[in-house]
Amino acid sequence: DAGVIQSPRHEVTEMGQEVTLRCKPISGHNSLFWYRQTMMRGLELLIYFNNNVPIDDSGMPEDRFSAKMPNASFSTLKIQPSEPRDSAVYFCASRGTGVNYGYTFGSGTRLTVV
Amino acid sequence: TQLLEQSPQFLSIQEGENLTVYCNSSSVFSSLQWYRQEPGEGPVLLVTVVTGGEVKKLKRLTFQFGDARKDSSLHITAAQPGDTGLYLCAGSGAGNMLTFGGGTRLMVKP
Repeated sequence: DAGVIQSPRHEVTEMGQEVTLRCKPISGHNSLFWYRQTMMRGLELLIYFNNNVPIDDSGMPEDRFSAKMPNASFSTLKIQPSEPRDSAVYFCASRGTGVNYGYTFGSGTRLTVV
Repeated sequence: TQLLEQSPQFLSIQEGENLTVYCNSSSVFSSLQWYRQEPGEGPVLLVTVVTGGEVKKLKRLTFQFGDARKDSSLHITAAQPGDTGLYLCAGSGAGNMLTFGGGTRLMVKP
């Protein structure tokens, strides 16, 4: 298995532009998570899906952030419009069934908004 | 909200030294996991502990889950430069979600 695949690995964009981050989870994993990581705040859960349905989006910072999971093999996180404070590394992770299963993280997307 | 506090936040040691990282909470977790993250990559699962008092060993790494399932520790014996990275503990409570600690950034100097 190729693991969790995220794209792009790096994204530099200007303030006000729309940014779309993509994630392909591990086949058969039924839960998908989007995290943001910064030095100041560590790993923050933004939203998670179970069987393609959003379960908890309380971590989404503002209406500028939205996430979709149209099928079991694809999810997107969109920021529109982007702001410099959105600069961070965004991780996608997937998890199989069973309470004690670990998360498998992708390699992340490093977003820089200038 | 379940919170996990890790200590120390930063640790710089010489190759061959021993170290212990702590993960504490006032909440009870059904299980606790430890991850290691290297620069430019996502966290990678090292171990899951489930039973209070459980001890697991992974080569030079020893993981312990507290009797009350509120805390955990990671002990590294004879640290190597390859152990350098960010160590994260994460607790599993209600639902399918993990709560992550703030991490311990370890640097092992040759």
